[in-house]
Amino acid sequence: DADVTQTPRNRITKTGKRIMLECSQTKGHDRMYWYRQDPGLGLRLIYYSFDVKDINKGEISDGYSVSRQAQAKFSLSLESAIPNQTALYFCATSQGGRGRGVYNEQFFGPGTRLTVL
Amino acid sequence: DAKTTQPTSMDCAEGRAANLPCNHSTISGNEYVYWYRQIHSQGPQYIIHGLKNNETNEMASLIITEDRKSSTLILPHATLRDTAVYYCIVRVEGSSNTGKLIFGQGTTLQVKP
Repeated sequence: DADVTQTPRNRITKTGKRIMLECSQTKGHDRMYWYRQDPGLGLRLIYYSFDVKDINKGEISDGYSVSRQAQAKFSLSLESAIPNQTALYFCATSQGGRGRGVYNEQFFGPGTRLTVL
Repeated sequence: DAKTTQPTSMDCAEGRAANLPCNHSTISGNEYVYWYRQIHSQGPQYIIHGLKNNETNEMASLIITEDRKSSTLILPHATLRDTAVYYCIVRVEGSSNTGKLIFGQGTTLQVKP
C-alpha cells in the first residue's frame, strides 16, 4: 500500500463549486504539505502543517483552505473553484524534529488532477 | 534561500552516465543541496542531498564543488526509466527551518536508447 494517498485522483468540476481534496499518510510523519503544479512549471506551496494545531500559509494560499483532522490526514478545500485553479495537486509529508536533512526529505502522493470548467 | 540555475533540458544515451549540473552561487554555509526528480506527472521523488562532502546512495552521486557554488548529480548508468524532470533545491537546516521546498523549473533529462 502507498504511504501517501490522495483522493480523488481526478476531478472535473464547475466554476463556483466547493471541492475538497484529501490526503492520508501512514508514515507517521508530523509535517504535511499541499502543492500545486501548473503545466511546465515546478511545484508551488499552498499550505503546510507541522502538527494538528499548526497550519501555515504557503506561497499561493488565496482561494484555498485546509484542515488537519488528525496527524495522518490533511485536506485541501477550494471554497468556490475557478478555472485558474485547474492544476495538478500534490500532498507531501516529512518527518519533524532535528536531524541532518530530515526536514527536507519529503514523500509525495500520486497527485490529484483537478479541472475547473 | 539560495536560488538555483539548471539547464532546461539534457539528453543522455542509455547505459551512459548522466551528469546534471546545478549552479547555486549564492548558497550560504548552512544550506544543503537537495535533488528531487519527477517522472511524468507523478509525485516528486527524493534522490539525494549533501552539505559539503560528496554523497552517494543507491540512486545517484552528488558532487559538490569545494566553494559550494555548484554541484552535479550523477546517474551512473542511465536507463529509460530515468527520463524525468530533475530539480536542484537548496535549503537551510536548523530550528528555524520550515521544511518548505521551493521548486524551480528543473532540468528535463531525456534518456535515449
